[in-house]
Amino acid sequence: GENVEQHPSTLSVQEGDSAVIKCTYSDSASNYFPWYKQELGKGPQLIIDIRSNVGEKKDQRIAVTLNKTAKHFSLHITETQPEDSAVYFCAASIGTDKLIFGTGTRLQVFP
Amino acid sequence: GAVVSQHPSWVICKSGTSVKIECRSLDFQATTMFWYRQFPKQSLMLMATSNEGSKATYEQGVEKDKFLINHASLTLSTLTVTSAHPEDSSFYICSAGRQKNIQYFGAGTRLSVL
Repeated sequence: GENVEQHPSTLSVQEGDSAVIKCTYSDSASNYFPWYKQELGKGPQLIIDIRSNVGEKKDQRIAVTLNKTAKHFSLHITETQPEDSAVYFCAASIGTDKLIFGTGTRLQVFP
Repeated sequence: GAVVSQHPSWVICKSGTSVKIECRSLDFQATTMFWYRQFPKQSLMLMATSNEGSKATYEQGVEKDKFLINHASLTLSTLTVTSAHPEDSSFYICSAGRQKNIQYFGAGTRLSVL
């Protein structure tokens, strides 16, 4: 079955710097890759997603890139702010199948 | 749009009692809902997939008689933890599936079994 690895597990950046989180997946048939932000004690919030027919997607300060050949995708956050501090999860799925989540990255943005 | 409501947000119960958690999609119809369990500082573990009007599909290792799932309508799914014990204490999260496998999550329910 699908397996998703996520790195790093923790990431600390200064406010205004960029943050990059990377995920790799094992099943080349996976075609949907969402990213979720989870704040303490809350449910995950979908922040951006990408499908296998595109290589990059951007939404204001957040972007996701997908390399199908290498089977990895990344989340890029520019001009980080303290409110970006949270745990970020990547996930992958095939068709309408269930999501397989990465292990999470705890991002801390210091003022 | 795409709001998923989950209740209660926190529940404390005595060992041996049953607890019901509700998950509602407020502004869209969800033919599929998912139930996850999350331990502290860990990722989400899928427990079961629930389809409206049919039996839930449980992941390997999840006891279906202990975690009863009902998906009676396109906007409501419930998870009942039967005869709860301290080891069932956890953070339970539901999600509702929209078109093209996009999932929107509820706020989660923290269950503490004494």
